Amino acid sequence: GENVEQHPSTLSVQEGDSAVIKCTYSDSASNYFPWYKQELGKRPQLIIDIRSNVGEKKDQRIAVTLNKTAKHFSLHITETQPEDSAVYFCAASPNTGNQFYFGTGTSLTVIP
Amino acid sequence: GAGVSQSPRYKVTKRGQDVALRCDPISGHVSLYWYRQALGQGPEFLTYFNYEAQQDKSGLPNDRFSAERPEGSISTLTIQRTEQRDSAMYRCASSLRRTQETQYFGPGTRLLVL
Repeated sequence: GENVEQHPSTLSVQEGDSAVIKCTYSDSASNYFPWYKQELGKRPQLIIDIRSNVGEKKDQRIAVTLNKTAKHFSLHITETQPEDSAVYFCAASPNTGNQFYFGTGTSLTVIP
Repeated sequence: GAGVSQSPRYKVTKRGQDVALRCDPISGHVSLYWYRQALGQGPEFLTYFNYEAQQDKSGLPNDRFSAERPEGSISTLTIQRTEQRDSAMYRCASSLRRTQETQYFGPGTRLLVL
């Protein structure tokens, strides 16, 4: 089955700086890669996703890049704000189904 | 509109008892997923349904775990003869179509097996 690895497990940045979270996947059949944000005690919520037919996608301060050859994808948050503090999960979904395989999460702290 | 709901929100049970966890997806959502989330970890895929048909149950840990969605709406995850290692947050999610797209998560059921 699919194995998704995520780094780093914790990340602290100063407000206004950028944050980068990286993930790798093992199954070359995976072709959909969502990112979820989970605030303390809340349910995970989608923040951005990317499909394997594109290399980059942006939504305001958030961007995701995908390298299919290397089987890795990254989340970039620019101009971080304290409300960006949360746990972020990457996931991969195979083209044979629509379930998600999640990484282990990155706890992001934005220091005011 | 109403999001995904789950019940109970908390369940404490004794080892060896059976438990049934309920998920009520967003109305009209075709696909329904079950995940298990240990503290400090990402959701772990268990099984999913398109309408009432179970598509993949490869993530179920063993045969004590089963799930059903008989009418293509509400789903129940049943754990028989619970063990302490079953303690976790069990989350349900749903998506509108049978495709790779946004999954909307429920609040989860926190299961504690004593």
